[in-house]
Amino acid sequence: QQQVKQSPQSLIVQKGGISIINCAYENTAFDYFPWYQQFPGKGPALLIAIRPDVSEKKEGRFTISFNKSAKQFSLHIMDSQPGDSATYFCAAHQTPGGGNKLTFGTGTQLKVEL
Amino acid sequence: DTEVTQTPKHLVMGMTNKKSLKCEQHMGHRAMYWYKQKAKKPPELMFVYSYEKLSINESVPSRFSPECPNSSLLNLHLHALQPEDSALYLCASSQEQRYEQYFGPGTRLTVT
Repeated sequence: QQQVKQSPQSLIVQKGGISIINCAYENTAFDYFPWYQQFPGKGPALLIAIRPDVSEKKEGRFTISFNKSAKQFSLHIMDSQPGDSATYFCAAHQTPGGGNKLTFGTGTQLKVEL
Repeated sequence: DTEVTQTPKHLVMGMTNKKSLKCEQHMGHRAMYWYKQKAKKPPELMFVYSYEKLSINESVPSRFSPECPNSSLLNLHLHALQPEDSALYLCASSQEQRYEQYFGPGTRLTVT
């Protein structure tokens, strides 16, 4: 019930291409869905986030698509660059009964090749 | 400024040592968190402090002891750790009623 399933585990994209990472959840009490980007040896950095009453959110080259009925959401990285090579984690937040907790997906290692 | 700082960056300790990790934020956040992250895995929540009081303990072994001396500081005291406790320890903070958590760079802990 608390899981967030993330796919693919790893992804190789050519420079300029579109990177797509997918997540699915079961718990309908989740009310906020952030994506984090993590470079090796660094802490996760908040990239973009969406609430379930919105179907899409775009910030620069990063877009979240959210399908509430299917309980799925995805991250699209347009015009992918080598500097985007990192591990991406989706997450889901649950309030107050969840005590301000984030449940993370398993992560996707993205490599953008020249 | 969304900066969370953590010290030290790296720590090597023996199984009989006592050491502490430190986390600091000056964003006025009233919720602070400790996470543990193993290689190629997502962060795992350990503790949550809300208004300087422990609100969540994710059944963490007692060899990990958190402390929140004030609203800007969070410590994690370590004692009698095991080699399997070697990991990246991350601190995060958020405004109490908001969802965005901001992470520090982490402390890379190695237990020998």
